[in-house]
Amino acid sequence: AQSVSQHNHHVILSEAASLELGCNYSYGGTVNLFWYVQYPGQHLQLLLKYFSGDPLVKGIKGFEAEFIKSKFSFNLRKPSVQWSDTAEYFCASRNNAGNMLTFGGGTRLMVKP
Amino acid sequence: NAGVTQTPKFQVLKTGQSMTLQCAQDMNHNSMYWYRQDPGMGLRLIYYSASEGTTDKGEVPNGYNVSRLNKREFSLRLESAAPSQTSVYFCASAGQRNNEQFFGPGTRLTVL
Repeated sequence: AQSVSQHNHHVILSEAASLELGCNYSYGGTVNLFWYVQYPGQHLQLLLKYFSGDPLVKGIKGFEAEFIKSKFSFNLRKPSVQWSDTAEYFCASRNNAGNMLTFGGGTRLMVKP
Repeated sequence: NAGVTQTPKFQVLKTGQSMTLQCAQDMNHNSMYWYRQDPGMGLRLIYYSASEGTTDKGEVPNGYNVSRLNKREFSLRLESAAPSQTSVYFCASAGQRNNEQFFGPGTRLTVL
């Protein structure tokens, strides 16, 4: 069975700090990877996704993620966070033959103004 | 387009009561999903429906049943609610096999 690990459960940053959230997945075959964001009181929204091609993926709101196959990682980055980035972030994987997403436990990000 | 809609938004049940959570999507998606979200555990798949007329168990199906009523609607039923089912429930839908899943606003369920 697939699994996704997000090692940082809570992250607190000041505005303008750089962000990197870790994500590791377990599936060894072809995999699709996603980052979702959940703002307080809202539903999940897709930030970015990786299916194939360039391992550096750019998403909305200045976020990017890098797929490193050798490390089974898909870390999320943003060079300068804003207070409005306060949210919970979920990494998810899906094997290429499957129809289901496997989610990590989530990382709560708080950005102090 | 409303996207994915869920009713109700909030619900409080007593142990042993039953209820049905409703989900509908207007994006003509084939696949629909029910997840539960618990603190520190991310989202866990309860059931999914790859197409109209089919349903399959996910990671945590015990205590739940589902019905894919038609292409638009996918309901989740708790026959005899238990406190362990206190959670936030999200419905999602997806189009082609590799397309992203779109989520509904969630239902916050408390079982006393």
